Amino acid sequence: ETGVTQTPRHLVMGMTNKKSLKCEQHLGHNAMYWYKQSAKKPLELMFVYNFKEQTENNSVPSRFSPECPNSSHLFLHLHTLQPEDSALYLCASSQDESGGGNEQFFGPGTRLTVL
Amino acid sequence: GQNIDQPTEMTATEGAIVQINCTYQTSGFNGLFWYQQHAGEAPTFLSYNVLDGLEEKGRFSSFLSRSKGYSYLLLKELQMKDSASYLCAVRDSNYQLIWGAGTKLIIKP
Repeated sequence: ETGVTQTPRHLVMGMTNKKSLKCEQHLGHNAMYWYKQSAKKPLELMFVYNFKEQTENNSVPSRFSPECPNSSHLFLHLHTLQPEDSALYLCASSQDESGGGNEQFFGPGTRLTVL
Repeated sequence: GQNIDQPTEMTATEGAIVQINCTYQTSGFNGLFWYQQHAGEAPTFLSYNVLDGLEEKGRFSSFLSRSKGYSYLLLKELQMKDSASYLCAVRDSNYQLIWGAGTKLIIKP
């Protein structure tokens, strides 16, 4: 149990659908992250929120829209996705964004398939 | 550009020792992390190095040489449950984590 939960665990959607991924952390952390993990590729950082403020948008297409209503919850809203967006989407949290040895704690991920 | 290199796959025998290397070229350095990721699961933190030298934690040790841009993860007394991917990540000058693609470690009986 890592203290970071994600729902749903699996999602299949068409290119015209709108769906949302949810992440919740129970660790009292102040920074939250969205990553994309594709097979045999490095983790790709998508968005960072630190104290509920977005501090990083790593050139992510606008069809991905993050929302952070508070330090414990993070959403990723999806619309008009492409098949190449199929991947594992991981949420992570850490004490804050820039602390030296602050490791990130990951959720189990949402396996997304876009048809 | 920023780059983290680690072998794609390694195979080792149960009970043996394996060393997984990681070399990096990043804009600045604020620490290096190793994570373990079992198939279909979340990455979990293994170790953190910010100063040169060896950090030992049970069967796992991690080494860092900042001058060489090099780290390794050493796993001793390998067990079947150590079969997983091992991810190397470097925190750059902006405190962003730059990730390697991971090394898939296969343990054979």
